[in-house]
Amino acid sequence: DQQVKQNSPSLSVQEGRISILNCDYTNSMFDYFLWYKKYPAEGPTFLISISSIKDKNEDGRFTVFLNKSAKHLSLHIVPSQPGDSAVYFCAAGHPNSGNTPLVFGKGTRLSVIA
Amino acid sequence: SAVISQKPSRDICQRGTSLTIQCQVDSQVTMMFWYRQQPGQSLTLIATANQGSEATYESGFVIDKFPISRPNLTFSTLTVSNMSPEDSSIYLCSVHRGKNTEAFFGQGTRLTVV
Repeated sequence: DQQVKQNSPSLSVQEGRISILNCDYTNSMFDYFLWYKKYPAEGPTFLISISSIKDKNEDGRFTVFLNKSAKHLSLHIVPSQPGDSAVYFCAAGHPNSGNTPLVFGKGTRLSVIA
Repeated sequence: SAVISQKPSRDICQRGTSLTIQCQVDSQVTMMFWYRQQPGQSLTLIATANQGSEATYESGFVIDKFPISRPNLTFSTLTVSNMSPEDSSIYLCSVHRGKNTEAFFGQGTRLTVV
């Protein structure tokens, strides 16, 4: 049973527009959420995170929104650039996440078209 | 951040053989995590490697198939034994720095079994 779900396997967006990647989770014990970006032939790299005590975190072009009541988070990229084309993984952590692994979704492949 | 050196980056192996993947971290960490990413799937945790004790395996993964070594706090190996084409996948090692921090990944090992 998947605890972290990314229901859109792929997304295409035009350069300069907004990309919105969605993620849902089922375990209410998760208290820390992260987004990773993965290029082919590379390991995932950390992008942005949010603690469950917040509903928004922003870093440059990347903003993550958390709706705890809906158990939903989203990653907004604006403006989208061709270099953003990659697979994006949503991940969730438990309260003791230093010693327990993150739980990942299946990923969404983002294609930004010039 | 943590720098993780993982090798080999890719390999093509004959069925029935074994491959050992190595991960070296630039600083001491308590736990290292080994993941597998099959095509189109999420990162699936194989096992957690704790220095000085047996690795803890997730459901569906066994020590005979995926033996792990953790000889010190900066190094771990994962062996994929008696390989079959179904083992073709990307294998990743990962570490955390602490509670509510991001996980860092090696660059991954792309394994193809023929």
